[in-house]
Amino acid sequence: KAGVTQTPRYLIKTRGQQVTLSCSPISGHRSVSWYQQTPGQGLQFLFEYFSETQRNKGNFPGRFSGRQFSNSRSEMNVSTLELGDSALYLCASSMRESEQYFGPGTRLTVT
Amino acid sequence: GENVEQHPSTLSVQEGDSAVIKCTYSDSASNYFPWYKQELGKRPQLIIDIRSNVGEKKDQRIAVTLNKTAKHFSLHITETQPEDSAVYFCWEGSTLGRLYFGRGTQLTVWP
Repeated sequence: KAGVTQTPRYLIKTRGQQVTLSCSPISGHRSVSWYQQTPGQGLQFLFEYFSETQRNKGNFPGRFSGRQFSNSRSEMNVSTLELGDSALYLCASSMRESEQYFGPGTRLTVT
Repeated sequence: GENVEQHPSTLSVQEGDSAVIKCTYSDSASNYFPWYKQELGKRPQLIIDIRSNVGEKKDQRIAVTLNKTAKHFSLHITETQPEDSAVYFCWEGSTLGRLYFGRGTQLTVWP
C-alpha cells in the first residue's frame, strides 16, 4: 500500500507570510501527527488528529494550527512566519497504539 | 521530547562492539514502547517495539528490554556495523493515544 505523502517537499517563504503543508496518510490510518525537526531543538511534537479532532497538542504557539479532513488527510498551517520556523516538518500516520509511519517531510526555509 | 529521558545523547562505538541506549519514563499507564531509527536525511523508521506484557524482544542484532517496575527500557545493538550509524529515538505510549519520545541518541559506528 502507498506510504505517507507530504506536499510540498520543499518550500521557501518570507518572514510574515503564512504557509500550509499537506499530509496524506496511509489508507485506513485515522491518526495523523505532526512534528517539527530542527538541528537545535531536535524532534518536537506539534499536534495529533484522530477522526477530524485534535486529540493531542504540543507546546507550540497559536500560529501553528492544523486540521484533518473526513478522508484523514491533514493540513498544518503556520501564520506570520518567523526565521525560527525554518525546519523539517514531518507527519506520521498510524492505527491507534501502533507503529507510526512517517512521511518524507516538508523542508521549510524562512528568509 | 517530553516525559521520556534518553541517554546518552551521543554514543561512539567501534564496529563489532555493542551499543546500549536507555530511556526512562514516568507514566505508569504506558504500555507501548517503540524505537525509531533516523538515518541522515531520511525519515524515522520503526526498528523494534515492545508492549508492557513482555520483558524482552529480539530481532537479529537488535533487542529491547523493559523494566516496568523501574519504568525504564533499553535498546541493545550487538555486533554494530557502520550502517547502524543514525539517530535513535525511544518512544512511550498509552491507551490515551499520546506518544512521548526522547531527545534522541546519535550513534556513530567507526569502522
